[in-house]
Amino acid sequence: DVKVTQSSRYLVKRTGEKVFLECVQDMDHENMFWYRQDPGLGLRLIYFSYDVKMKEKGDIPEGYSVSREKKERFSLILESASTNQTSMYLCASNSPGRGIAKNIQYFGAGTRLSVL
Amino acid sequence: AQRVTQPEKLLSVFKGAPVELKCNYSYSGSPELFWYVQYSRQRLQLLLRHISRESIKGFTADLNKGETSFHLKKPFAQEEDSAMYYCALGGSNYKLTFGKGTLLTVNP
Repeated sequence: DVKVTQSSRYLVKRTGEKVFLECVQDMDHENMFWYRQDPGLGLRLIYFSYDVKMKEKGDIPEGYSVSREKKERFSLILESASTNQTSMYLCASNSPGRGIAKNIQYFGAGTRLSVL
Repeated sequence: AQRVTQPEKLLSVFKGAPVELKCNYSYSGSPELFWYVQYSRQRLQLLLRHISRESIKGFTADLNKGETSFHLKKPFAQEEDSAMYYCALGGSNYKLTFGKGTLLTVNP
């Protein structure tokens, strides 16, 4: 079974703090993704990474950065947290070339971030 | 540009009634379509994908390229089907474009 683990289920931070959200997957997947999930807006892609040290902006990258130093780990960084970044953050991974499982994304349990 | 539209934010049915969650897409290439489901306090997970042409938990979805639709159907809804459902479109770059989701409530 694919396991995508997000380090925190809940986080409370103050405006202006630097925030790190961590995600680890154990299936040797090449691709990893960060989304935010908001009611009425669905899932919106923030960043994704298709290899170590490789990243690409998604639909809403402003205010975020990412780091992928190892294949299994993908970090989302909020350089200076703001209240409008209060949201549920989901990490996902997949592999583009794994036969029947190709392109299926596997999700972590999510991190609910509140910025006060 | 890829786009997925789920026209209903909320859908409420009674147990045993048929249910249809609508999904329309816009894509110029050959689409790959998925339905994901998120039950209360659980992670988002794949329900089914069009290339598998299978029934999962009694749900089916048929890709209609003429109408650019991928509606999710179940003939007899159960209370445990209550969840948030997302339609997703995969393109050529391994990314998925998600719709805004439909919250299904099955009443006893």
